[in-house]
Amino acid sequence: DQQVKQNSPSLSVQEGRISILNCDYTNSMFDYFLWYKKYPAEGPTFLISISSIKDKNEDGRFTVFLNKSAKHLSLHIVPSQPGDSAVYFCAARSNFGNEKLTFGTGTRLTIIP
Amino acid sequence: DSGVTQTPKHLITATGQRVTLRCSPRSGDLSVYWYQQSLDQGLQFLIQYYNGEERAKGNILERFSAQQFPDLHSELNLSSLELGDSALYFCASSPQLTGQYGYTFGSGTRLTVV
Repeated sequence: DQQVKQNSPSLSVQEGRISILNCDYTNSMFDYFLWYKKYPAEGPTFLISISSIKDKNEDGRFTVFLNKSAKHLSLHIVPSQPGDSAVYFCAARSNFGNEKLTFGTGTRLTIIP
Repeated sequence: DSGVTQTPKHLITATGQRVTLRCSPRSGDLSVYWYQQSLDQGLQFLIQYYNGEERAKGNILERFSAQQFPDLHSELNLSSLELGDSALYFCASSPQLTGQYGYTFGSGTRLTVV
């Protein structure tokens, strides 16, 4: 049962344009959502997060949007840079006793120079 | 360097064997999490330890076990290995009991079962 879904395995974006990565979830008990970035041969690195009481969180070039009614979140990167090429994982945490993070399958973002 | 150290980085072993993966959490972190990433799969949660005690369990096989020692390092033991156990195994740590503010991941151990 995949509670966190990233339906696009890959995405290619021109340098300087906006990259939009999407994530859907099914568990309404999730209260915190996070994005991680992963380069080859490295572990995932925390990028940005958002609480379920907010609908937007911004950090420099990265903005995460949360639509609770649609159970959907997205990560916007603008402008996209070559160093943003990586695999991006969406993750969610339940507020009901279970403290683990549930991860999506990831989206491989390629920025084209 | 994330501060979370995993050893070894690579491991090749035969089916039926047993291996131990080791993780040293970031200094000051009390929670340790183990995740498995198989080909084209997301990160599957295996188990969490907090200050030496098992805290949460995911889809961890009975052939797998883990522990966290008094110095807070953790070991993941995989036994009776099968081809399907080939994967990247990540350890992560966090300061608190919960993963609310995100984990810090190690660089992983790539296990190949032949």
